[in-house]
Amino acid sequence: AQSVAQPEDQVNVAEGNPLTVKCTYSVSGNPYLFWYVQYPNRGLQFLLKYITGDNLVKGSYGFEAEFNKSQTSFHLKKPSALVSDSALYFCAVSYPYNQGGKLIFGQGTELSVKP
Amino acid sequence: GAVVSQHPSRVICKSGTSVKIECRSLDFQATTMFWYRQFPKQSLMLMATSNEGSKATYEQGVEKDKFLINHASLTLSTLTVTSAHPEDSSFYICSANHQDEQYFGPGTRLTVT
Repeated sequence: AQSVAQPEDQVNVAEGNPLTVKCTYSVSGNPYLFWYVQYPNRGLQFLLKYITGDNLVKGSYGFEAEFNKSQTSFHLKKPSALVSDSALYFCAVSYPYNQGGKLIFGQGTELSVKP
Repeated sequence: GAVVSQHPSRVICKSGTSVKIECRSLDFQATTMFWYRQFPKQSLMLMATSNEGSKATYEQGVEKDKFLINHASLTLSTLTVTSAHPEDSSFYICSANHQDEQYFGPGTRLTVT
């Protein structure tokens, strides 16, 4: 079965420090991978996606993610965290493998950035 | 950009009643919309795929007679929770496809008393 895992329920980072939110996937074939952010009582906002090509993907608000096929990972990163980055982050895989297909989400990771 | 709205944003209903939630694509047409359910601080669980002009496709374990989905136009899908019970209380989120991207609505908080 296709699945996405976010091993950390919560990540705590000091403002200005780099942040990483981890995501691993278990799918057959070549996945389409996404990161979304959710603020309290709001819907999801798209951050970035990997479809094909360069393994390093740059997205909104200074976030980037690296697709690593050998490790089946798609970790979200940002060089310098902001307090306003505090939110719930979801990794997702699109299945069937197309950009308009339904999304299978990881469990979510709550990012807390302290001043 | 593409905008998806949901109405209402919050609803409280009594056990046994039915509640309708609307999902609209405001500036584009969507032949496919998705309905998700989310419990507090948990992931989104896909409930069903809503297809304009045809029956919705439900995920395993989702009762189609309880969660009625209608996608009668290219800009509107509705989710009706029939005979609601307290365990149906949740955050319901829809999304719509546009140019191979999914755009999410702001969500509807349903509380069943």
